Amino acid sequence: AQSVTQLGSHVSVSEGALVLLRCNYSSSVPPYLFWYVQYPNQGLQLLLKYTSAATLVKGINGFEAEFKKSETSFHLTKPSAHMSDAAEYFCAVSSNNAGNMLTFGGGTRLMVKP
Amino acid sequence: KAGVTQTPRYLIKTRGQQVTLSCSPISGHRSVSWYQQTPGQGLQFLFEYFSETQRNKGNFPGRFSGRQFSNSRSEMNVSTLELGDSALYLCASSPGGAGYNEQFFGPGTRLTVL
Repeated sequence: AQSVTQLGSHVSVSEGALVLLRCNYSSSVPPYLFWYVQYPNQGLQLLLKYTSAATLVKGINGFEAEFKKSETSFHLTKPSAHMSDAAEYFCAVSSNNAGNMLTFGGGTRLMVKP
Repeated sequence: KAGVTQTPRYLIKTRGQQVTLSCSPISGHRSVSWYQQTPGQGLQFLFEYFSETQRNKGNFPGRFSGRQFSNSRSEMNVSTLELGDSALYLCASSPGGAGYNEQFFGPGTRLTVL
């Protein structure tokens, strides 16, 4: 079984500050890990994914995430927040034997203060 | 390429009715997955279809069913609607069947059950 825990359902940062969204996973097989973003009244858009190549993954809009097997973590960071980053962020896990079935964390709503 | 489209975008039904939602994947994508998103339960996997066959199924009652056509378009059906079925239903398509593939999400169908 796989599971994902996102610490902090709401995170607030000031514009220009570091963004750190936490994700821890549980998987009995090598995982594939994803971060998705959801803007109001829209579907999910992929930010980045880890598929067992480089452990530091760079995504769109300046986001990156580091896969740490020893900590079972895949935290999402961005050096400088922008107002347009305000959205809900979801971490998800899949694996080879799960097909395209994604198991999502509960989500983190990011608020950016001017 | 056109993105994933879902119809209708909004739907209002009453308890006991049934509903059919439609999803058109990105051209060339053979996998279609369905997810339910609610404030209380978050994003939950319903089922995945690949080349007209259901490959994975989430933990939902038999009232939830789906199918995929030869052109990869998919429908999901919910019979005997309950108030708790009110949710955003998201469809996602993927080019292949492996867990590392990116899934492309549609905008969703918002179902309200009165």
